[in-house]
Amino acid sequence: DAGITQSPRHKVTETGTPVTLRCHQTENHRYMYWYRQDPGHGLRLIHYSYGVKDTDKGEVSDGYSVSRSKTEDFLLTLESATSSQTSVYFCAISELAGGPYEQYFGPGTRLTVT
Amino acid sequence: AQSVTQLGSHVSVSEGALVLLRCNYSSSVPPYLFWYVQYPNQGLQLLLKYTSAATLVKGINGFEAEFKKSETSFHLTKPSAHMSDAAEYFCAVLELGNEKLTFGTGTRLTIIP
Repeated sequence: DAGITQSPRHKVTETGTPVTLRCHQTENHRYMYWYRQDPGHGLRLIHYSYGVKDTDKGEVSDGYSVSRSKTEDFLLTLESATSSQTSVYFCAISELAGGPYEQYFGPGTRLTVT
Repeated sequence: AQSVTQLGSHVSVSEGALVLLRCNYSSSVPPYLFWYVQYPNQGLQLLLKYTSAATLVKGINGFEAEFKKSETSFHLTKPSAHMSDAAEYFCAVLELGNEKLTFGTGTRLTIIP
């Protein structure tokens, strides 16, 4: 299994509070991704990173920010959590240069905003 | 732009029967295609991938998929279902030069004893 950990694994927070989720990899892969998973929507990309300090938006980036100061860590921040951000969040990593192109996923973080 | 359609959000098959999960894609360039499986309360695990080598791809747990360019399909099959196959399955497409995977909405597979 790819070395990807996410913390925390579960979190309950109140509306309006900031929340930071952490993804840590030991594979030295260049690309890292944050997804959210909701019933009926599959996985939707929030933000991704293609290197240290290099990030870009995905399809559902509103209300989220990211940072990557080290190759191994990719942080997702909800600036002011809302109930619509209740979801399961997955981090993924990939090494696209020359393949193998697939993404490897972490175990997920279940976030509940009350 | 790339997109994926998975027909059937829920599929039920009897234990020992054929499993067929459908995936159709849209891509402006030759794509790379993937099937992932997700067991309850876990992350996604790669089942198999198509990267322009053989059109029939074999994966883990006895699954295979065939890339059919003329039909823009990449359906997942397994000859004989097992109870342990109960999970959600996601098809995904990647266009070379694009760093982002696009996922289908998933198919939940139920195995009937």
